Amino acid sequence: GENVEQHPSTLSVQEGDSAVIKCTYSDSASNYFPWYKQELGKRPQLIIDIRSNVGEKKDQRIAVTLNKTAKHFSLHITETQPEDSAVYFCAASSGGSNYKLTFGKGTLLTVNP
Amino acid sequence: NAGVTQTPKFRVLKTGQSMTLLCAQDMNHEYMYWYRQDPGMGLRLIHYSVGEGTTAKGEVPDGYNVSRLKKQNFLLGLESAAPSQTSVYFCASSGPSRVTEAFFGQGTRLTVV
Repeated sequence: GENVEQHPSTLSVQEGDSAVIKCTYSDSASNYFPWYKQELGKRPQLIIDIRSNVGEKKDQRIAVTLNKTAKHFSLHITETQPEDSAVYFCAASSGGSNYKLTFGKGTLLTVNP
Repeated sequence: NAGVTQTPKFRVLKTGQSMTLLCAQDMNHEYMYWYRQDPGMGLRLIHYSVGEGTTAKGEVPDGYNVSRLKKQNFLLGLESAAPSQTSVYFCASSGPSRVTEAFFGQGTRLTVV
């Protein structure tokens, strides 16, 4: 089955700096890679996603890059703000008959004012 | 439009007791999932369903059973609760295609004593 590794497990940055979180996946059939943000005590919510036919996607301060050959993808947050502090999860899924979404273990991002 | 709703939000069980967690979605999604979230372990898939009347095992299915008798509902059962099942449980749904955003419920915090 699919295995998703996520690094780092914790990340602390100063407000205004950039943050990068990296994930690798094992199943070459995976073709959908979402990123979720979970604030303390809340449910995970999608912040950005990318499909395997695209190498990069950007939405304001957030961007995701995908390297299918190396089977890794990354989340980039620029100009970080205190409200970006949360746990971020990457995930991977395939569109095969046994569709399921496999998550990484999460990264706790702390943005210090 | 409520999205994904979980019942109950909190529960304390004694070892050996049984209970059912209810997940309801009003978005006409085909795919539904149950995850458990434990510190440092991310979101681990317990069981999932690709349509009404279907269920499949995820990463950590032991000790749990599920049913999807109606498209909008996905039930998670614990027949004989154990302290190792103390966790936060999240239900999610997605659709109509296989590779789209998963929407999460608000979570159920279960403590088994």
